[in-house]
Amino acid sequence: GEEVAQTPKHLVRGEGQKAKLYCAPIKGHSYVFWYQQVLKNEFKFLISFQNENVFDETGMPKERFSAKCLPNSPCSLEIQATKLEDSAVYFCASSQSYRGENTIYFGEGSWLTVV
Amino acid sequence: DAKTTQPTSMDCAEGRAANLPCNHSTISGNEYVYWYRQIHSQGPQYIIHGLKNNETNEMASLIITEDRKSSTLILPHATLRDTAVYYCIPRTTDKLIFGTGTRLQVFP
Repeated sequence: GEEVAQTPKHLVRGEGQKAKLYCAPIKGHSYVFWYQQVLKNEFKFLISFQNENVFDETGMPKERFSAKCLPNSPCSLEIQATKLEDSAVYFCASSQSYRGENTIYFGEGSWLTVV
Repeated sequence: DAKTTQPTSMDCAEGRAANLPCNHSTISGNEYVYWYRQIHSQGPQYIIHGLKNNETNEMASLIITEDRKSSTLILPHATLRDTAVYYCIPRTTDKLIFGTGTRLQVFP
């Protein structure tokens, strides 16, 4: 597609439940990025993929968070045993390559509310 | 990646040019300067990027100083819809690292 598609737009989970978010990158883009934004504050980089391989996971919390990009499937970000502090907007982005001259395009985000 | 300094907030009258400055004095030779904006809580919207030369597209112009230590994003005729947080981000490869940006308020 011509845009980064994220689903669901909104997700409400009780504390301790699992949350799973999906992202379809722009067609032809091999790099996918996940960011977290809590309460309109700064964007926190979580993880990036080159096709199905993890490229950079320096921002990924060590526990409860996992992500995958499998061939012919949307990428996913999963949070096991959600906590109140996981409430945030999660943005997915994609680009053609990791090179600096290739623009990164963002989706509209998935709002996760943990109650 | 280089650190950036942007004003916390700016105002601009509708129809006037909005000039948003960014200081990136530690930028390296291969870092592009990217500008994004976030309107409300929508996804960051790409505006423009450049390496050394000034750039213009349908949304904005980007002026980069000769020493590349600072840049200015110009919205030539600001509208109310341009009210947003604007981010200046130097980038070599891989991810974007967002700072706190400039909150631009366009008023009637």
